[in-house]
Amino acid sequence: ETGVTQSPTHLIKTRGQQVTLRCSSQSGHNTVSWYQQALGQGPQFIFQYYREEENGRGNFPPRFSGLQFPNYSSELNVNALELDDSALYLCASSLWGTGWGSPLHFGNGTRLTVT
Amino acid sequence: SQKIEQNSEALNIQEGKTATLTCNYTNYSPAYLQWYRQDPGRGPVFLLLIRENEKEKRKERLKVTFDTTLKQSLFHITASQPADSATYLCAAGQNFVFGPGTRLSVLP
Repeated sequence: ETGVTQSPTHLIKTRGQQVTLRCSSQSGHNTVSWYQQALGQGPQFIFQYYREEENGRGNFPPRFSGLQFPNYSSELNVNALELDDSALYLCASSLWGTGWGSPLHFGNGTRLTVT
Repeated sequence: SQKIEQNSEALNIQEGKTATLTCNYTNYSPAYLQWYRQDPGRGPVFLLLIRENEKEKRKERLKVTFDTTLKQSLFHITASQPADSATYLCAAGQNFVFGPGTRLSVLP
């Protein structure tokens, strides 16, 4: 069983740039969620994708967008980067979706630094 | 808005003792709560799920309780070991609202 993998592991960008983060779901999982985790804080829900459509969104502006592909892998795109976007971005896959209480399986994240 | 609070930012206990971590939620009634462990530089790892109709759940040295009247979940680690040192996160409800976590240090 392959776990959740994220790439890249670290990234440094300049304010105003755009970034794309990638995630491969655990095999057999059909739902992917993205979280932002600032240092010393719990993960904050960005959005979830199920069957290639957004299935819930947290309190994040539209410059945060995502995609889910037919093989259930996913991308998180952030436009017009701001300094406050510096954080650990976590991808998590699950089966059926969070409304069923299915546990989240996390990758080890991408550490994004915006300068 | 939905909010999760965890009782303390950090907790130090002696090896062999029972660690008890608290999770309180406000402004909603989740159908279930989950607990995760997170080590530095790693993603959270699922430990236990407890549903609103379950009072207690156990897994090896771990025990979770869920009190819907108090709007609280307690997470216990018995016979704690230094390897249990990590940040423990409580999460509740749809889209998993996470608490800020409690950093547990088990001292040898």
